[in-house]
Amino acid sequence: DPKIIQKPKYLVAVTGSEKILICEQYLGHNAMYWYRQSAKKPLEFMFSYSYQKLMDNQTASSRFQPQSSKKNHLDLQITALKPDDSATYFCASSQDVLYEQYFGPGTRLTVL
Amino acid sequence: GDSVTQTEGPVTVSESESLIINCTYSATSIAYPNLFWYVRYPGEGLQLLLKVITAGQKGSSRGFEATYNKETTSFHLQKASVQESDSAVYYCALGAANSAGNKLTFGIGTRVLVRP
Repeated sequence: DPKIIQKPKYLVAVTGSEKILICEQYLGHNAMYWYRQSAKKPLEFMFSYSYQKLMDNQTASSRFQPQSSKKNHLDLQITALKPDDSATYFCASSQDVLYEQYFGPGTRLTVL
Repeated sequence: GDSVTQTEGPVTVSESESLIINCTYSATSIAYPNLFWYVRYPGEGLQLLLKVITAGQKGSSRGFEATYNKETTSFHLQKASVQESDSAVYYCALGAANSAGNKLTFGIGTRVLVRP
């Protein structure tokens, strides 16, 4: 059974719209993260959360807002979508902030 | 900022041949980063292959090895004899763990194709 679930797997959106990417982990971890991989670029760190609190934010735009309703959830809300937001978004989790991270399968977002 | 540079792919090797994927890093946010190799097999998610958190130490997994060399700021991945099942994309990553969290900085990924 998958331990980190990301929904949906694929997502197509129009410019200017808003979408929420879902991430749930069933590893009992206390830290969660979001990364993004655009075409021909490395995975890029976006956010880290520990015990549902924001620890680090490396995303310049406020259009990206993580939401943690439960300890094992870290959703990503993206508003005013732009074509440059097209990427695969990966959620990850770790036992705690100093431990190795486990990644979900990703959500591929395409903005038209 | 931190950065990771790795062998540009695709790298094609024949089964039973040796493989080396070069990885060098630059760590500006932390003196002693943790170093990782992740792998993504076709149709699967990203998974940790091996990690080394102490300079001078070697990590190994599934026949792969990598040594954390602080002098040359390198963390090359090697395997003496590859199998077709090693075909995948390999990512070198640097972990900067501090009070703010544990941000991973990844290389671009190296696609490896193993010919039968």
